[in-house]
Amino acid sequence: EVQLVESGGGLVQPGGSLRLSCAASGFTLSSYAMSWVRQAPGKGLEWVSTISGSGGGIYYADSVKGRFTISRDNSKNSLYLQMNSLRAEDTALYYCAKQVATTYSPADYWGQGALVTVSS
Amino acid sequence: DIVMTQSPDSLAVSLGERATINCKSSQSVLYSSNNKNYLGWYQQKPGQPPKLLFYWASTRESGVPARFSGSGSGTDFTLTISSLQAEDVAVYYCQQYYSTPPTFGQGTKVEIK
Repeated sequence: EVQLVESGGGLVQPGGSLRLSCAASGFTLSSYAMSWVRQAPGKGLEWVSTISGSGGGIYYADSVKGRFTISRDNSKNSLYLQMNSLRAEDTALYYCAKQVATTYSPADYWGQGALVTVSS
Repeated sequence: DIVMTQSPDSLAVSLGERATINCKSSQSVLYSSNNKNYLGWYQQKPGQPPKLLFYWASTRESGVPARFSGSGSGTDFTLTISSLQAEDVAVYYCQQYYSTPPTFGQGTKVEIK
């Protein structure tokens, strides 16, 4: 059974940093692209970043480019999102999602999300 | 970026009646080399993560009830629930994965009338 479990969310002040982790199980992580998608309270879905199975292809939304870094450790079955220079508008539930296959495919499994709140 | 626009923003349908959600992309998401539409549909129930319903516009994900159908090509797509059930109350999103950034529609909230 595929499972994705996010951790590392919390309350952080503007300008601060957080690192989200996503523990994956039930599939071979290296065979799939993985993404982070966020959802601000009461709002829709916003794609944040995608990393290819090998880690060689990385993509970011313009809203987080230069501040967020996606990475993966296939040996640890884990996906990460390092978030720096956080802003109030980054407040959201952050989902880890497994792509069906490559970067250009939909997400067929999602975690329950990690809540990030940026506030002073 | 490809802009995805859904209509309506919300709809209320009686139990057993048909619900239709439209999704329009600002440019074609049909990849000519494989004749596939890079379009997916998701269902998100309150307090839950999104669930993939359809990919390639009309390929039903395993376990999705047959009352759900996806159709369309190019820039215009439709998600249809042929006979609305109480458990279908949710927000539905379309997403294009034709190009980066992959973009979502704003969502359509489906309720019971």
